[in-house]
Amino acid sequence: AQKVTQAQTEISVVEKEDVTLDCVYETRDTTYYLFWYKQPPSGELVFLIRRNSFDEQNEISGRYSWNFQKSTSSFNFTITASQVVDSAVYFCALSEGDNAGNMLTFGGGTRLMVKP
Amino acid sequence: DAGITQSPRYKITETGRQVTLMCHQTWSHSYMFWYRQDLGHGLRLIYYSAAADITDKGEVPDGYVVSRSKTENFPLTLESATRSQTSVYFCASSEREYSNQPQHFGDGTRLSIL
Repeated sequence: AQKVTQAQTEISVVEKEDVTLDCVYETRDTTYYLFWYKQPPSGELVFLIRRNSFDEQNEISGRYSWNFQKSTSSFNFTITASQVVDSAVYFCALSEGDNAGNMLTFGGGTRLMVKP
Repeated sequence: DAGITQSPRYKITETGRQVTLMCHQTWSHSYMFWYRQDLGHGLRLIYYSAAADITDKGEVPDGYVVSRSKTENFPLTLESATRSQTSVYFCASSEREYSNQPQHFGDGTRLSIL
């Protein structure tokens, strides 16, 4: 069965620090998708990124970057020069198969607090 | 562009009562999902539906009932609410098989059972 582990339940940083959120996954499928979602204090889920199992290229979007390593079954998320607005709960998730819209298995989430 | 809407946003009810959470999507997506969010567990899948009149259990289905008579609606019913069902409930939808598009989530329903 699939599983997603986010070992860091809570991280606190000071503004402008870099921070990395860890995500480790387990699956027997060779085809799967990995996701990161942000949940700000207002409660909605904001989609950040999707990565399929055949694409191990790292991705950068502004201050956000993602490091996907199949060898270690990890999909880590780095925020560079963190800002107070980055304070949120971040979820890593996995869907098996070749449909990115398949049912998701979520990690327990990492609460990030960025202090001014 | 209404997207996916959940109602009510907040609900307080008592143990033993029946309560229904509504989910409506305007995209004609084939797949719909119900998740619950609890501290330390992230989101867990309750039920999902691949099309109208097709539903299946997820990880935590006990105590819940779903139906899908129309593609756009996917209500979740707690037939006899218990305190352990106090949670935030999210509905989601996605297009079809073999799509690279992720699920779209509603804004959630916060349910408290006293």
